[in-house]
Amino acid sequence: AQSVTQLGSHVSVSEGALVLLRCNYSSSVPPYLFWYVQYPNQGLQLLLKYTSAATLVKGINGFEAEFKKSETSFHLTKPSAHMSDAAEYFCAVSDGTGGYNKLIFGAGTRLAVHP
Amino acid sequence: KAGVTQTPRYLIKTRGQQVTLSCSPISGHRSVSWYQQTPGQGLQFLFEYFSETQRNKGNFPGRFSGRQFSNSRSEMNVSTLELGDSALYLCASSLGQGKINEQYFGPGTRLTVT
Repeated sequence: AQSVTQLGSHVSVSEGALVLLRCNYSSSVPPYLFWYVQYPNQGLQLLLKYTSAATLVKGINGFEAEFKKSETSFHLTKPSAHMSDAAEYFCAVSDGTGGYNKLIFGAGTRLAVHP
Repeated sequence: KAGVTQTPRYLIKTRGQQVTLSCSPISGHRSVSWYQQTPGQGLQFLFEYFSETQRNKGNFPGRFSGRQFSNSRSEMNVSTLELGDSALYLCASSLGQGKINEQYFGPGTRLTVT
């Protein structure tokens, strides 16, 4: 069965510092992987997706993620954090089990950015 | 292009009542998926509708049901509400065809059951 583990429910960084949010997945078949961001009182916004093309995926707002099959990981990074990046981030997987539109989400990582 | 809209945004109901939530997808999108978000269980898939048919279903009791209309708008219904049904209910729309479907989420309906 597919699953997603996000290490660290809370991450705090200084403005300008590197952002690293960790995601590990479990899937019996090659998965499709996604990162979403959720701002307070809003829905989810897609940051980026991995669809078996390039292993390094670039998304919006300067975020990128690298798919590493050997480590079953899809960590999200951003070289320099902005105050506006403070939000909750969710990693999600879909491998077709139960339908490709069925996303399995991790528990989320709340990112705090301090001056 | 207008985004996904959900109505109402906030709702307060009493245990035992039933509730209907509405979702209007992006124009041209034929798939609507519903998710429940709670602090304890996180984001969980409820079901997906495509062309007025339920295509996929999560592990929720039969009290949770949905439907989709010919214009792709979708409603979900929860009957005999329980306190544990208090959650943010999100819908997401996508084109619905092929393997990679970028899903666009609405702002959600926050349901409080007292």
